[in-house]
Order: sequence, then C-alpha cells, then structure tokens
Amino acid sequence: AQSVTQLGSHVSVSEGALVLLRCNYSSSVPPYLFWYVQYPNQGLQLLLKYTTGATLVKGINGFEAEFKKSETSFHLTKPSAHMSDAAEYFCAVSEDNDMRFGAGTRLTVKP
Amino acid sequence: DGGITQSPKYLFRKEGQNVTLSCEQNLNHDAMYWYRQDPGQGLRLIYYSQIVNDFQKGDIAEGYSVSREKKESFPLTVTSAQKNPTAFYLCASSIGHGSYEQYFGPGTRLTVT
Repeated sequence: AQSVTQLGSHVSVSEGALVLLRCNYSSSVPPYLFWYVQYPNQGLQLLLKYTTGATLVKGINGFEAEFKKSETSFHLTKPSAHMSDAAEYFCAVSEDNDMRFGAGTRLTVKP
Repeated sequence: DGGITQSPKYLFRKEGQNVTLSCEQNLNHDAMYWYRQDPGQGLRLIYYSQIVNDFQKGDIAEGYSVSREKKESFPLTVTSAQKNPTAFYLCASSIGHGSYEQYFGPGTRLTVT
C-alpha cells in the first residue's frame, strides 16, 4: 500500500522568496502524484499532477513539481512567493485505484 | 458552470441526532467521495461510490452512511453512532475511480454539541 509523507506541517517564507514544500511517497509501482491547495474553509483545488512522461510538471499559479523516482519524492516549488500563496498544501499519491493524501503543509507568507 | 456543491456551509446539531450532508455534482462524473478533515490529519476517506447504486466503505466508515440513487448526488448521513462527528466534511468527484484527479466541493463544517 502506498503512503505519503509531507515533511514539515508548517512552512514560513518571506514574500518573494523561494517556496519549497516537500513530499515523499512509498509505492510499489510508479504512482500518479498530485498537489492540491486549500484556502481557509474551502475545498481542495488541483495545482498539478504527474502521471507519466516528463518528470518536471508545471501547474497553476507558478507552481511546479519534479518527480524523482530515485528519491521517491515529488517536491513542490515556486520561485517567488506571493501573499496570496498562503494556504494549506496537500500531496497525494494514487496507486491501484486508491488515492492517499498527506497530512498537509501550511504555508505562511510574511510581508 | 460545472462543479460540486455542498450544503449547507455550516451545520449545527445536538448530540444524538442524525444529520445528512448534501453533495451534488454536474460534471457527469461516475465516481464520488466523502472525506473527513481534522486539523493536522489531512483527509480521511469515509465512503466512495464508483457508480450509481454502488458504494464502498473507506478507512473511517463507522457511524456514517451514504446512498447513490442518482449519478449527480451522493448524500452523507452522520449518525448518532459516530463518536466524534464535529469536523469539516469534503465531497469530491472524479471521472472514474482510481488515478484520476478529484474535484472538491467547498465543504460543510459540522458542529455537534
């Protein structure tokens, strides 16, 4: 069975700084990987997904993630944080018709 | 506009009462899901349905029930048997069950006192 680990329940960056949110997974086969964002008291919105092919995936709002099979990682990055990026971010992995979500990372952006 | 609606946004109930949360989608998706979200625990799957008139238990189904009589609707009933029902409940749908991205509704915050 697959699992997802998000390193760091809280990440704080300054406006304009690099955003790096970490996600590691365990899976017996190449998984499908997703990042979702959740703003307060709202549902989740898909940021990006990896299925097959190119390992660097670009998503909405300037975010991207790189699938590294050797490291079993799918970290989310954004070169320059904006105040509007403050939210909770969830990594998810899908394998054998079963999707699992990480515990989430809350991103705070300081002015 | 296609999407998923959940109602109401906030719901308050007394302990011992059953309560039903609504979830409707107009995306023509076959699969629908109910998740429970508690602080620091991410999303936990309660029930899912791959097709009309069929549903499966997720990881935390005890104290909950669902029905899927129509493709677009997947209501969740929180029964009095659920020991800690206060939570944020999220409904989602996808084209099919499995490796497809899920589309989420805005959620219902249930408070039971």
